[in-house]
Amino acid sequence: DVKVTQSSRYLVKRTGEKVFLECVQDMDHENMFWYRQDPGLGLRLIYFSYDVKMKEKGDIPEGYSVSREKKERFSLILESASTNQTSMYLCASSPAGGGRSYNEQFFGPGTRLTVL
Amino acid sequence: AQSVTQLDSQVPVFEEAPVELRCNYSSSVSVYLFWYVQYPNQGLQLLLKYLSGSTLVESINGFEAEFNKSQTSFHLRKPSVHISDTAEYFCAVQQVNTGFQKLVFGTGTRLLVSP
Repeated sequence: DVKVTQSSRYLVKRTGEKVFLECVQDMDHENMFWYRQDPGLGLRLIYFSYDVKMKEKGDIPEGYSVSREKKERFSLILESASTNQTSMYLCASSPAGGGRSYNEQFFGPGTRLTVL
Repeated sequence: AQSVTQLDSQVPVFEEAPVELRCNYSSSVSVYLFWYVQYPNQGLQLLLKYLSGSTLVESINGFEAEFNKSQTSFHLRKPSVHISDTAEYFCAVQQVNTGFQKLVFGTGTRLLVSP
């Protein structure tokens, strides 16, 4: 059974703190993604990675960074958390692909982050 | 670039009634189309997808969606909803023939089924 896990379901941090959100997948997928979900805005892609140590900016990378030291783990880092980063964060993974291929993205349960 | 529009942010219906959740997309190239469902306090799950072939696609729990290229739509329908269908539904597109599967999501439609 495919599985994407996220380290915390709920997290409360203070403004200015450094925050780490961890995501682990057990499907040996090459691609991993971090999304942010906000009411009325849907899901927006923050960063993605198609290989270990490789990363690419998504649509809203400002204020975030990522780390992928191992294939199964993809971390999202908020260097200095701000209140406007209060949101639901979703991690996903998918197998490698390209051209006209399609590979399903599998999502974790999400981390609801509140920055006070 | 692609974009997805889900005009209805919330759709309330009674149990056993039919429902349609609307999705329109904009793209200058061919796309794959998806519906994802998010049950309360859970991540997203793929509900159904259109890649090619028959324009009518079905899920295992009775939902169906029809790809209409001329109207650039991919509306989701179910003839009779259950309480357990209460969830948020996201329409998404992915550009065909790219080296990376970036999904573009709509803003979501919350389906509220009441007895």
